[in-house]
Amino acid sequence: SAVISQKPSRDICQRGTSLTIQCQVDSQVTMMFWYRQQPGQSLTLIATANQGSEATYESGFVIDKFPISRPNLTFSTLTVSNMSPEDSSIYLCSGQLTGGTGELFFGEGSRLTVL
Amino acid sequence: GESVGLHLPTLSVQEGDNSIINCAYSNSASDYFIWYKQESGKGPQFIIDIRSNMDKRQGQRVTVLLNKTVKHLSLQIAATQPGDSAVYFCAENRADDKIIFGKGTRLHILP
Repeated sequence: SAVISQKPSRDICQRGTSLTIQCQVDSQVTMMFWYRQQPGQSLTLIATANQGSEATYESGFVIDKFPISRPNLTFSTLTVSNMSPEDSSIYLCSGQLTGGTGELFFGEGSRLTVL
Repeated sequence: GESVGLHLPTLSVQEGDNSIINCAYSNSASDYFIWYKQESGKGPQFIIDIRSNMDKRQGQRVTVLLNKTVKHLSLQIAATQPGDSAVYFCAENRADDKIIFGKGTRLHILP
């Protein structure tokens, strides 16, 4: 298994500001993903964080709004830019272990509230 | 703490009874399916998985059934306990190796 640590675990942000969420994995993972979970909803895939290259975004998500970095196999960041109240959500980092069965391991999530 | 699942369908089960949570998936090309459990304020936790070349897989107190003909997945929890209270999500591995989550079901255990 893998342990995924995210920070901050929660934050209250002002409209128009940006916040960067950090994700650290204790094992090498081949794939890392960022998901969003709005209140009372399921998880929606934002993007795949690719090591050393630009992230691959899902429909409805763009790099200018959610820039992602992945400088190595065990670390990634997601920035939520120019936040509005609609960005209030839980943001979850996940990873698939190298040589694993394909299951995703998740962090505890970062709960953002935008005022 | 976070109240995930306020608007999700709810299944109420008596403690000690068996629970069956159902899920329909959309992509006939999906070849790997996973059930996750999410407790309040936490990230999803892996429960059990199944590949498309199987129709049943058993774990400890849990069984997953896959019906590819009708694109249906179910999770059976035997002898449901209070600690089973959570939101349960099915997820499918798309052909591009991305895991997509279903809507989720909140399991509520009655004393």
